[in-house]
Amino acid sequence: DTAVSQTPKYLVTQMGNDKSIKCEQNLGHDTMYWYKQDSKKFLKIMFSYNNKELIINETVPNRFSPKSPDKAHLNLHINSLELGDSAVYFCASSQGLAGGSGYEQYFGPGTRLTVT
Amino acid sequence: GENVEQHPSTLSVQEGDSAVIKCTYSDSASNYFPWYKQELGKGPQLIIDIRSNVGEKKDQRIAVTLNKTAKHFSLHITETQPEDSAVYFCAPYSGAGSYQLTFGKGTKLSVIP
Repeated sequence: DTAVSQTPKYLVTQMGNDKSIKCEQNLGHDTMYWYKQDSKKFLKIMFSYNNKELIINETVPNRFSPKSPDKAHLNLHINSLELGDSAVYFCASSQGLAGGSGYEQYFGPGTRLTVT
Repeated sequence: GENVEQHPSTLSVQEGDSAVIKCTYSDSASNYFPWYKQELGKGPQLIIDIRSNVGEKKDQRIAVTLNKTAKHFSLHITETQPEDSAVYFCAPYSGAGSYQLTFGKGTKLSVIP
């Protein structure tokens, strides 16, 4: 059973298009995240949701909009795609909020987005 | 926010040798220090973590040591094997209220058979 799954695994699209990436976790976790990993492997948090509420919203363009229909799902919608959006996007989940309680984050396999 | 530096950025070792990766952080309130391993084409996976009330933790061939005074912690891998080849990230917890891990820039470890 896959703990954290993402679809699609690969996404190739043209500039200006709108696309969505879906994420689902079957671990019963309360917190979900989106990370962006650039070509140099740098991992940066984008958003975090706890019990369907937005907790972290880092400085990302408002073209990126997360949606959490329930605790098990956190989708990422991107409008007006730009070349600089090309990256690998990872979804993750944890039992609770990161950090002090030491909750492990479980990552999905990633979605490689290529904008041409 | 937390400033995290990870060194070295790349590391090549012969199979059987040891590897050490160091992570320096800035927030003295940080109290949770995990290391993640990312294999090619996969998401990062937690391999070991330590809390601020412990100086060292071991799990078979891997260990993490923490120096809170100097604000750094290190990943030690002994008897390296080809399957240890991956990118390793430190991700110290930034402190109360931030609810997020700040990932280092990663260390690409190559174990040469």
